Amino acid sequence: DVKVTQSSRYLVKRTGEKVFLECVQDMDHENMFWYRQDPGLGLRLIYFSYDVKMKEKGDIPEGYSVSREKKERFSLILESASTNQTSMYLCASSLEGRGHEQYFGPGTRLTVT
Amino acid sequence: GEDVEQSLFLSVREGDSSVINCTYTDSSSTYLYWYKQEPGAGLQLLTYIFSNMDMKQDQRLTVLLNKKDKHLSLRIADTQTGDSAIYFCAEIDVDTGRRALTFGSGTRLQVQP
Repeated sequence: DVKVTQSSRYLVKRTGEKVFLECVQDMDHENMFWYRQDPGLGLRLIYFSYDVKMKEKGDIPEGYSVSREKKERFSLILESASTNQTSMYLCASSLEGRGHEQYFGPGTRLTVT
Repeated sequence: GEDVEQSLFLSVREGDSSVINCTYTDSSSTYLYWYKQEPGAGLQLLTYIFSNMDMKQDQRLTVLLNKKDKHLSLRIADTQTGDSAIYFCAEIDVDTGRRALTFGSGTRLQVQP
């Protein structure tokens, strides 16, 4: 079974702090994704990576950056957390190629106070 | 660009059938997915269909695709209280080279005993 793990289930940070969210997958997937989920808005893509050190902006990249130094690990960084970044963050991975489904981690609920 | 729309809420009685609907905007070479999210959890892939198919059945789940109207539905037979969750429709147009799915806002299914 594919396993995608996220470093924290719940996180509380203060405004202005630098925040790291970590994601690890164990199935040698090329693609990894970070989404945020907000009520009524579904999932919105922040960034994705299709290879080590490669990244592309998604639909809402402002205020975020990412790092992929190893194939299995994809980090989301909030350089200076703000209250409007309070959300559920979901990591996913998939194989490269047509129609490969995405496998999701359990999510990190981040609260910025 | 891609757009996926779903109604936000559906309530059914235990034992009845549930039908969750989705409309999408993309074209002929599209994979369409249904994901389930239970409270506090990540997304779990339920089933998917390619746009050259009309129907797919998997135990209690039936997916119907109307390509002309760009309408996708998920029917759950004999709905149980354990089916209470948020259901997301998602799509990817393989001809665009895009790697990330586009999600709808999710339909919250409430099953009443």
